[in-house]
Amino acid sequence: KNEVEQSPQNLTAQEGEFITINCSYSVGISALHWLQQHPGGGIVSLFMLSSGKKKHGRLIATINIQEKHSSLHITASHPRDSAVYICGAGGGTSYGKLTFGQGTILTVHP
Amino acid sequence: DTEVTQTPKHLVMGMTNKKSLKCEQHMGHRAMYWYKQKAKKPPELMFVYSYEKLSINESVPSRFSPECPNSSLLNLHLHALQPEDSALYLCASSQEELYSPLHFGNGTRLTVT
Repeated sequence: KNEVEQSPQNLTAQEGEFITINCSYSVGISALHWLQQHPGGGIVSLFMLSSGKKKHGRLIATINIQEKHSSLHITASHPRDSAVYICGAGGGTSYGKLTFGQGTILTVHP
Repeated sequence: DTEVTQTPKHLVMGMTNKKSLKCEQHMGHRAMYWYKQKAKKPPELMFVYSYEKLSINESVPSRFSPECPNSSLLNLHLHALQPEDSALYLCASSQEELYSPLHFGNGTRLTVT
């Protein structure tokens, strides 16, 4: 079992739909990162959170430390949101090491 | 535009070549990272530098040699690579080691022939 598990692995949506990507981790962490990677390789850091909830535009990230679970929500999805979304658990017993989930491939159709 | 600049964008090298990847940031970040990413896989951490000192080496083969000449620059020296080392090599930086958001470069796509 991977230390960081994401679901679903693939997600297809129609423009405007509400999207949820889940991340569960089994290690102790200091911070949970959500990243977005577009085709071609560039990675953008969306959120870093250690408790509660953060919002940026149409994106919302939540984390439940007790349940070791985080979610990334996209409201009013758009084709430009099509990308791979990766969660990464950092710190904990391995200070400085970020362990990534396998990624969720999101495709939003017009 | 990314605030972390990686050069070159693409590199093709033979197994006997020596080459270097470069990464530069001017955000005053004190932690810098090298990741390796194979197709359809998440990035794998290779090295972490914190305050210009090597903090983490994830058991990376010695044919990869990192160097941090100053707080803005991070190099990855390559020597005697294998075809299976072909991948996207990503550099990232953060204010401090993993307690602040990561800023990634666009990567160097390396092909070893």
